Amino acid sequence: GENVEQHPSTLSVQEGDSAVIKCTYSDSASNYFPWYKQELGKRPQLIIDIRSNVGEKKDQRIAVTLNKTAKHFSLHITETQPEDSAVYFCAASNSGNTPLVFGKGTRLSVIA
Amino acid sequence: DTEVTQTPKHLVMGMTNKKSLKCEQHMGHRAMYWYKQKAKKPPELMFVYSYEKLSINESVPSRFSPECPNSSLLNLHLHALQPEDSALYLCASSRTNPGNEQFFGPGTRLTVL
Repeated sequence: GENVEQHPSTLSVQEGDSAVIKCTYSDSASNYFPWYKQELGKRPQLIIDIRSNVGEKKDQRIAVTLNKTAKHFSLHITETQPEDSAVYFCAASNSGNTPLVFGKGTRLSVIA
Repeated sequence: DTEVTQTPKHLVMGMTNKKSLKCEQHMGHRAMYWYKQKAKKPPELMFVYSYEKLSINESVPSRFSPECPNSSLLNLHLHALQPEDSALYLCASSRTNPGNEQFFGPGTRLTVL
C-alpha cells in the first residue's frame, strides 16, 4: 500500500521568510495530493491540492509542486505570517476507492 | 451549507458507558469517514462509508460501531471503551470516492475514564 514520508517534523521561520515542507510517496498509482493545515484544537483544513496531471499550483502565498518521476511533492509558503503557525499534513491517494494516506505532519512556527 | 458538523464537542465517559457521536453534512457528499486523532499525530482512518454502505473498516475493535442512517448522517456508537481510546474523533466527507478532497468536521474530544 501507499506510504507517505513528510519532512521536516518541525520548522521555525522568521516572519516574512519562506517555508518549504516536503513529502515523498511510494505508490506510483497515486494521483491526488492534498495539503491540510491544522491549528491547535481545530479541524484539519484543506488549503491546497494538486492532481498528477499538473506540476505546480498556486493560491496566493501558497504553492504546491509535484514531481511524479521522483514521487515527491512540496508545499511552499511565502511571506510567512504568525497565523501560518500550525501543523501541516500532506496526503496521497489514488482517487479511485483508496483512502487518503497522511504524512506524519510538520509543526510550523512563524516567529514574529 | 458547506460544513461538516459534529456533536458533541466534548464527551467524557466511563468504561461501562454507551454513547454515540454524530456527524452531519448537507453538501450532497456520498462518502463519509471516521478518523481517530491522537495528540501530535495525523488522523488515523477508522471507517469509510460510500453511498451509505460500509466500504472500509480498518480493523477497528468492535467496541466502535459505525452507522450511516442516510446520506447526510453518520454515527459512531461507543461501548466498553478503554482509556487509550481517548482522542479527537473526526468525521469527514467527500463528494464521491475516498480519494477525492475531504472536508473535516470540528471533531469530538473524547475522554474515557
